[in-house]
Amino acid sequence: GAVVSQHPSRVICKSGTSVKIECRSLDFQATTMFWYRQFPKKSLMLMATSNEGSKATYEQGVEKDKFLINHASLTLSTLTVTSAHPEDSSFYICSAQTASYSTGDEQFFGPGTRLTVL
Amino acid sequence: ILNVEQSPQSLHVQEGDSTNFTCSFPSSNFYALHWYRWETAKSPEALFVMTLNGDEKKKGRISATLNTKEGYSYLYIKGSQPEDSATYLCAPPPQGGSEKLVFGKGMKLTVNP
Repeated sequence: GAVVSQHPSRVICKSGTSVKIECRSLDFQATTMFWYRQFPKKSLMLMATSNEGSKATYEQGVEKDKFLINHASLTLSTLTVTSAHPEDSSFYICSAQTASYSTGDEQFFGPGTRLTVL
Repeated sequence: ILNVEQSPQSLHVQEGDSTNFTCSFPSSNFYALHWYRWETAKSPEALFVMTLNGDEKKKGRISATLNTKEGYSYLYIKGSQPEDSATYLCAPPPQGGSEKLVFGKGMKLTVNP
């Protein structure tokens, strides 16, 4: 199956700093990637849809200026948590669709990034 | 906003028991429903993508059925094992043909040896 990687897998930062998380499709081109966040004891919440070459589409309640998404190439999307605060500590995970994706195909998830803001 | 209901939200069973989860969703303009198995802090594992009314798919001891007319899908695990302990997520794509997956709250299964 298709492989999606995330980097870093774990990051600890100080409050007020910005953190960038990378999501890469390793063996396929992904025109669309998705970013999810897990809240404590809850399911994965979709944050935004990242489209190659265009602006990301954010879900209701997600601050676009707080969570900057860039999808500069067909294999890379980045999520930058700006001015991170302890409440941003969470598990962030991306998924990707192949360029030939059609309804009924699975999405491929990355291994996730654990962010801890001190 | 897509309303996805999953039940039960939490289930504790003994090894060897069978389990049954339900995912309910709006039945109009259905496209596909995805089932994933997810262990916290790991990558979700795709189980099934259900597209046709009456679909029944199987992977080992896990099977799923789909009823698009009444808006539900069942996930069934036969003879649960401790390694089946995980959260099971379902996600129908939102109406309108969008391909994004919006997961329900998930159903956490704990299988005791």
